[in-house]
Amino acid sequence: AQSVTQPDIHITVSEGASLELRCNYSYGATPYLFWYVQSPGQGLQLLLKYFSGDTLVQGIKGFEAEFKRSQSSFNLRKPSVHWSDAAEYFCALRGSNYKLTFGKGTLLTVNP
Amino acid sequence: DTGVSQDPRHKITKRGQNVTFRCDPISEHNRLYWYRQTLGQGPEFLTYFQNEAQLEKSRLLSDRFSAERPKGSFSTLEIQRTEQGDSAMYLCASSFGAGVYEQYFGPGTRLTVT
Repeated sequence: AQSVTQPDIHITVSEGASLELRCNYSYGATPYLFWYVQSPGQGLQLLLKYFSGDTLVQGIKGFEAEFKRSQSSFNLRKPSVHWSDAAEYFCALRGSNYKLTFGKGTLLTVNP
Repeated sequence: DTGVSQDPRHKITKRGQNVTFRCDPISEHNRLYWYRQTLGQGPEFLTYFQNEAQLEKSRLLSDRFSAERPKGSFSTLEIQRTEQGDSAMYLCASSFGAGVYEQYFGPGTRLTVT
């Protein structure tokens, strides 16, 4: 069975501060991992993905994520948050059967 | 490049009625997926197609749900005899090929069953 855990339901940061959103996964092999962002009432936009190779991956909008096999983690980071980053963030895992398994999401609030 | 589109964006229906949603994938994508997202949760997989073949269905997809993808292009998801528990966002995604290609999502159809 595969699963994704996002331990933080809601995070609040100040604009300009750094951000780290946590994601832990459970899967029997090397997973394909993704981060998506969802604005209210909208679909999901892909931020970045990890398939293999370099464990630090860069994405859009200045986001990056680091895959750590030993910790079964794929945390999302951004050095300086903008007010427009306020949204819900989902970590997802794709196993061998192509479907995505999502975490429950982390809601990000950005204070001015 | 046109993204994934879904229609309608919002649907309000009374319990017991049938509803049908449409998804148009990115044109060259041969895989199409349906997910359901309830409030406060991440999307959950319902079913997926490779071309016109429906290859997997989740146990979440009861007998009241049916999905089709005629000719391997657009897809429809029908819910018969809707229940209040069917209220959710229904998301469609598409991808190219069977490899490590990422899934691109549409804006979703918000269903409210009253």
